Amino acid sequence: RKEVEQDPGPFNVPEGATVAFNCTYSNSASQSFFWYRQDCRKEPKLLMSVYSSGNEDGRFTAQLNRASQYISLLIRDSKLSDSATYLCVVNMGNRDDKIIFGKGTRLHILP
Amino acid sequence: EAQVTQNPRYLITVTGKKLTVTCSQNMNHEYMSWYRQDPGLGLRQIYYSMNVEVTDKGDVPEGYKVSRKEKRNFPLILESPSPNQTSLYFCASSPLWTGQGYGYTFGSGTRLTVV
Repeated sequence: RKEVEQDPGPFNVPEGATVAFNCTYSNSASQSFFWYRQDCRKEPKLLMSVYSSGNEDGRFTAQLNRASQYISLLIRDSKLSDSATYLCVVNMGNRDDKIIFGKGTRLHILP
Repeated sequence: EAQVTQNPRYLITVTGKKLTVTCSQNMNHEYMSWYRQDPGLGLRQIYYSMNVEVTDKGDVPEGYKVSRKEKRNFPLILESPSPNQTSLYFCASSPLWTGQGYGYTFGSGTRLTVV
């Protein structure tokens, strides 16, 4: 099993729709989880950290399921500007700073 | 403005010619890290540093060196670059350990081509 796995997509979604991505991770000792977005040829930018209780930031909701070892990202009322690659990131759980990036899920919002 | 600054943005070099990519952050962050991004492979960690004079290997450290003599700077050194090090490189910093939920701020990237 890969350490961090995402569906590469692309997801082609009409504007205004709700879209959800999942990401699975292999290390049950993983401590922290993040979603980043990356626009073409740009640096990744932190979208949100993912907490055990789940968290929401505007149209974005992140969930963590430790038992099944996956995290999810839900985008409601999608905008054209949401088109990007979404990266799932997992800290591997040691006291060092080894973190693993998923390969990303590409999202295209269609007008 | 809080930022991570990498230089140069673009670099074309020849095999075997030593080079350094600089990285500087102005946020007083403890943690810094270098990544390379390749098509189909995603972002892979090269080295990271948890504080001044504390560095450790990531997933793909071979062929790279780093140093952390000052908190703000974390240069990436390629002693003898080879074509398989052609890639997009990102430097990143974080205030504290990511295990506590702190995310990284990334620089704008350095596109390196080794011919």
